[in-house]
Amino acid sequence: AQRVTQPEKLLSVFKGAPVELKCNYSYSGSPELFWYVQYSRQRLQLLLRHISRESIKGFTADLNKGETSFHLKKPFAQEEDSAMYYCALRGSSNDYKLSFGAGTTVTVRA
Amino acid sequence: EADIYQTPRYLVIGTGKKITLECSQTMGHDKMYWYQQDPGMELHLIHYSYGVNSTEKGDLSSESTVSRIRTEHFPLTLESARPSHTSQYLCASSPGQLIYSPLHFGNGTRLTVT
Repeated sequence: AQRVTQPEKLLSVFKGAPVELKCNYSYSGSPELFWYVQYSRQRLQLLLRHISRESIKGFTADLNKGETSFHLKKPFAQEEDSAMYYCALRGSSNDYKLSFGAGTTVTVRA
Repeated sequence: EADIYQTPRYLVIGTGKKITLECSQTMGHDKMYWYQQDPGMELHLIHYSYGVNSTEKGDLSSESTVSRIRTEHFPLTLESARPSHTSQYLCASSPGQLIYSPLHFGNGTRLTVT
């Protein structure tokens, strides 16, 4: 069975401070991992995926298979980063379904 | 404009009523999904479809049913609504061939059963 755990429901940081959102997963094979974001009054959308090894809006995430983690990081948080963030896992190359964590609400204070 | 649309955005209905939540996408995506979103909880997959006339139940047991008669349309039906069905329902779609393709979500339907 596959499972995604986001241990922090709420995260509050000051503008300009680093922010890290934790994501741990359980899956026996090689997973595909994603971060989705939902800004206030907007729909859920893709932020980044591990396969692309990209930085989006200053965010990066590294897949650590040894620790089964996919933490999301940004060195200098901005107020517009305030949102709900979901970590998601796709467990098999033949399975298009995504399993989501419970989400972390990030508030960036001025 | 190519997009995914959900109607209604909000629905308040009494116990025992039959309801259908609509979801349509104009992106030509083969795969469509219904997720249930409750505050502080994981998004739970309740139904999915990989193409016309193909539907499967998701990880979370649900009393709802779905149909996929046309590629663009994936409605969700509750035959007899109950207060336990109160939740936010998200519809999503993704292209057929790309393993790493993201899900495109609709705006959701917030259902309240009184």
